[in-house]
Amino acid sequence: GAGVSQTPSNKVTEKGKYVELRCDPISGHTALYWYRQSLGQGPEFLIYFQGTGAADDSGLPNDRFFAVRPEGSVSTLKIQRTERGDSAVYLCASSFTSNTGELFFGEGSRLTVL
Amino acid sequence: GENVEQHPSTLSVQEGDSAVIKCTYSDSASNYFPWYKQELGKGPQLIIDIRSNVGEKKDQRIAVTLNKTAKHFSLHITETQPEDSAVYFCAARRYSNYQLIWGAGTKLIIKP
Repeated sequence: GAGVSQTPSNKVTEKGKYVELRCDPISGHTALYWYRQSLGQGPEFLIYFQGTGAADDSGLPNDRFFAVRPEGSVSTLKIQRTERGDSAVYLCASSFTSNTGELFFGEGSRLTVL
Repeated sequence: GENVEQHPSTLSVQEGDSAVIKCTYSDSASNYFPWYKQELGKGPQLIIDIRSNVGEKKDQRIAVTLNKTAKHFSLHITETQPEDSAVYFCAARRYSNYQLIWGAGTKLIIKP
């Protein structure tokens, strides 16, 4: 597609449930990033992929969070045993390479945990 | 590590006037400074960036200035228009490093 696509755009779930958020980056972009954004805050880094491998997952808050990118394109962020504090907008971004200037963001997936 | 501070958190200007948003950074090795605009319900979008080998860059009504000695950079928007209303984020990183450090954002309100 022309831009970064994220699905679902909105997800409401109950505390304790499992959720998956999907990101389809711009074709040909090797670098992919997940960020979390709470209301009134800047993006908070979660994880960075270069190709298929997670080059840096230091931003994942705990072991309930996991992300994969098995074929070096689409990525899935997985959250187990969701908590109310996980409620936020999850943003995905891609760039041509890891040190190319511009990040291209999707519109985000808004997660609400009741 | 790098830390980026951004001011003000909210800025309200009359349509047609200029707006200035300022950021400071702590890592003197940072050499790439982008500005992103985020409209409601959308992801951030790059509007302008500057590398440390230049002091100023302009693109139509938008300009960014960089003072490496003082470790601060600013976004200038002239002749503001209603569509400029959004949240603006500054960021910084070493160009060889993938990790962007973000400011907290400035909500820009353009009054008609």
